[in-house]
Amino acid sequence: DSGVTQTPKHLITATGQRVTLRCSPRSGDLSVYWYQQSLDQGLQFLIQYYNGEERAKGNILERFSAQQFPDLHSELNLSSLELGDSALYFCASSVGPSTSGRYRAAQYFGPGTRLTVL
Amino acid sequence: GQQLNQSPQSMFIQEGEDVSMNCTSSSIFNTWLWYKQDPGEGPVLLIALYKAGELTSNGRLTAQFGITRKDSFLNISASIPSDVGIYFCAGLGSGTYKYIFGTGTRLKVLA
Repeated sequence: DSGVTQTPKHLITATGQRVTLRCSPRSGDLSVYWYQQSLDQGLQFLIQYYNGEERAKGNILERFSAQQFPDLHSELNLSSLELGDSALYFCASSVGPSTSGRYRAAQYFGPGTRLTVL
Repeated sequence: GQQLNQSPQSMFIQEGEDVSMNCTSSSIFNTWLWYKQDPGEGPVLLIALYKAGELTSNGRLTAQFGITRKDSFLNISASIPSDVGIYFCAGLGSGTYKYIFGTGTRLKVLA
């Protein structure tokens, strides 16, 4: 158990709908990252937050948005869903804002949310 | 998005054999991380490396941060069936907040 929690574990919805994925980082971690992993593909970085502020953006679609709340949990919002959005969505956390340094850069992943868009 | 070159892409080995895999990059990294992912599960951090030349072990796993800072290696000794899975490397460069992930090595162990 990495200490990172994600809910829900599974989500099935229809095209055009909107969903919210939730992540709670490990105790003490201030950074949260979101990744998308399509079937048999690698991890694609979406976005990163540190202590409530956006720090880095990857290949995140305009239909997707995220935020990190004062209690450090994060939510990823996916709207106008398309079939191609079906994937595993992972949240990860680390102590710091990814600056290199022992223990700060180690990133721990949650169990993921499997999104199926029908 | 950008990815690291990880090799081999897949490998079948006999139980008890040693395994080696590596990641290479065209950029210099300050941190290398190695993960194992089982199907449908989240990646599990195996080893973290923070210094060029660093050699770190975790049980039967040993990883090294390449001297050039552009590569890293993971070795698994005396493989067992539960070592089956996909192994990913991830690198973090200076002045960036984005981890770059390898393409993965799919390991299959024959009992």
